[in-house]
Amino acid sequence: QSVLTQPPSVSAAPGQKVTISCSGSSSNVGNNYVSWYQLLPGTAPKLLIYDDNKRPSGIPDRFSGSKSGTSATLGITGLQTGDEADYYCGTWDSSLSAGLVFGGGTKLTVL
Amino acid sequence: EVQLVESGGGLIQPGGSLRLSCAASGFSVSGTYMNWVRQAPGKGLEWVAIIYSGDSAFYADSVKGRFTISRDNYRNTLYLQMNSLRADDTAVYFCARQAYTSGYYFDYWGQGTLVTVSS
Repeated sequence: QSVLTQPPSVSAAPGQKVTISCSGSSSNVGNNYVSWYQLLPGTAPKLLIYDDNKRPSGIPDRFSGSKSGTSATLGITGLQTGDEADYYCGTWDSSLSAGLVFGGGTKLTVL
Repeated sequence: EVQLVESGGGLIQPGGSLRLSCAASGFSVSGTYMNWVRQAPGKGLEWVAIIYSGDSAFYADSVKGRFTISRDNYRNTLYLQMNSLRADDTAVYFCARQAYTSGYYFDYWGQGTLVTVSS
């Protein structure tokens, strides 16, 4: 069972918008910065968002991140079939032996 | 260009040992926070271990005492020595470079190497 909670799946049509939530606690999301990653089978995971809401160079502005309290959200607008992937949130957990923690992942289906 | 290439995975019997390698290019692993992260079949990502710039290390409870993370600065390579392997260690293992601005995050990852623990 993952420390951070994500919905197992979300879906939307091409061109639409989708949001993926990431819920944690004060020892992780509430007091540490959140990052988001995209996993496609057989490829290296890709960093999409860091420091809650910053995009690395090369990541389109269709991807956005936000956080409020102990919950973070990844938003994707203008959905494309190539966005169909698994998405994970991650952050540091300040409790004694947790280290870095991830959500359970969300499978995005672009219908 | 930053690249990370893992190798060393394979089929190993329970109780056995395996050493994974992660060859880095485009940057120096020396002084860089480096990590191993794994993904078991059908499961999510699980952070495994980190090596800090001073070569101190920190491990997930699930691997503490069995796995050792290290690096060879001359070869610019990160390693994960895995001993006393169990079936639940079966996973794709990724190496990842850790960056820090306001928070910590993994800015580059390798494609992973599959470790299967089975008799």
